[in-house]
Amino acid sequence: KQEVTQIPAALSVPEGENLVLNCSFTDSAIYNLQWFRQDPGKGLTSLLLIQSSQREQTSGRLNASLDKSSGRSTLYIAASQPGDSATYLCAVRESASYDKVIFGPGTSLSVIP
Amino acid sequence: DVKVTQSSRYLVKRTGEKVFLECVQDMDHENMFWYRQDPGLGLRLIYFSYDVKMKEKGDIPEGYSVSREKKERFSLILESASTNQTSMYLCASGSTGTTTYEQYFGPGTRLTVT
Repeated sequence: KQEVTQIPAALSVPEGENLVLNCSFTDSAIYNLQWFRQDPGKGLTSLLLIQSSQREQTSGRLNASLDKSSGRSTLYIAASQPGDSATYLCAVRESASYDKVIFGPGTSLSVIP
Repeated sequence: DVKVTQSSRYLVKRTGEKVFLECVQDMDHENMFWYRQDPGLGLRLIYFSYDVKMKEKGDIPEGYSVSREKKERFSLILESASTNQTSMYLCASGSTGTTTYEQYFGPGTRLTVT
């Protein structure tokens, strides 16, 4: 059974620092992996989606990488800002269907001014 | 922009009450979903629907039912609310005509059952 973990559960960094969030999954046979942002008490906003055939995706200061063989994805945030403070979740899609998605528990990021 | 709205941001109900959570999307998406989110457990799929009047059980359907009478609206029903259903409920929608199966989420409903 696919399991998705995210370490650390919480992270606090000073403004301007570059940082990496980690996502691990146990079964490498995935369809795609998606990173979301969730602000306190709010819904999920999609940040980046990486198909299984891709190695990385970039959007502005964000870069997500995928290494299927090792069951890992990282989300790199450059030059962090206080507005980046949120919980970041990764979600693994196991097959080309809507119901086979496993979400990680999230990493709570706090960027200190 | 895709918009998914949920009828309430916060809801407080008593044990045994019947509870309706409503979700509406404005992008003509075929697929709609209900998740619950609990600390340390991540998001878990309760039910999803791929067409009007169609529904499929997710991972944790016990204690819940759903209704989809119109394409844009998907309702989650707690027939007799219990304290272990206190949670954040998130609705999402997505289009069939996609290779990414991306989902668009609503703002969530924080339900407390006392």
